[in-house]
Amino acid sequence: GENVEQHPSTLSVQEGDSAVIKCTYSDSASNYFPWYKQELGKRPQLIIDIRSNVGEKKDQRIAVTLNKTAKHFSLHITETQPEDSAVYFCAARSNDYKLSFGAGTTVTVRA
Amino acid sequence: EPEVTQTPSHQVTQMGQEVILRCVPISNHLYFYWYRQILGQKVEFLVSFYNNEISEKSEIFDDQFSVERPDGSNFTLKIRSTKLEDSAMYFCASSEQGSEGYTFGSGTRLTVV
Repeated sequence: GENVEQHPSTLSVQEGDSAVIKCTYSDSASNYFPWYKQELGKRPQLIIDIRSNVGEKKDQRIAVTLNKTAKHFSLHITETQPEDSAVYFCAARSNDYKLSFGAGTTVTVRA
Repeated sequence: EPEVTQTPSHQVTQMGQEVILRCVPISNHLYFYWYRQILGQKVEFLVSFYNNEISEKSEIFDDQFSVERPDGSNFTLKIRSTKLEDSAMYFCASSEQGSEGYTFGSGTRLTVV
């Protein structure tokens, strides 16, 4: 089955700096890659996703890149703000019936 | 914005007891899922349900677990005889098209004592 690795496990950045989280996946058939943000005690919420026919997608301060050949994808957050502090999970879909999640990155934005 | 609703928000149960976690998926969604998250760990897939049957399940989803869609709106997860290690946050999710565009519910925190 699909195996998703996520790095780093924790990330501390100064407010205004950029944060980058990287994920790799194992199943070359995977074709959909969402990112979720989870605040303490709350549900994971989809923040951005990318499909395998696209190399990059941007939504305001958030961007995701995908390298299908290398089987890795990354989340970039620019101009970080304190409200960006949360746990971020990457995921990959290899069939219609489940997403496989990475282990999560705890992002702390220092004011 | 449509939501996935889960009840209860917190359930405390004695080891060996049965629990039923309830979910109301978004009404036009066709795919339903249960995931769990042990405190501080990753979100783990349990089971997916499509066209009134289980479409995939993980190794975690053993004979103690079952899912049901008893009517047109509810989607339930039953744990027959709970163990201490079943303590976790259980998330229901639904999607309109396969596993794209999941919407998660707010979760049920299950505590087995």
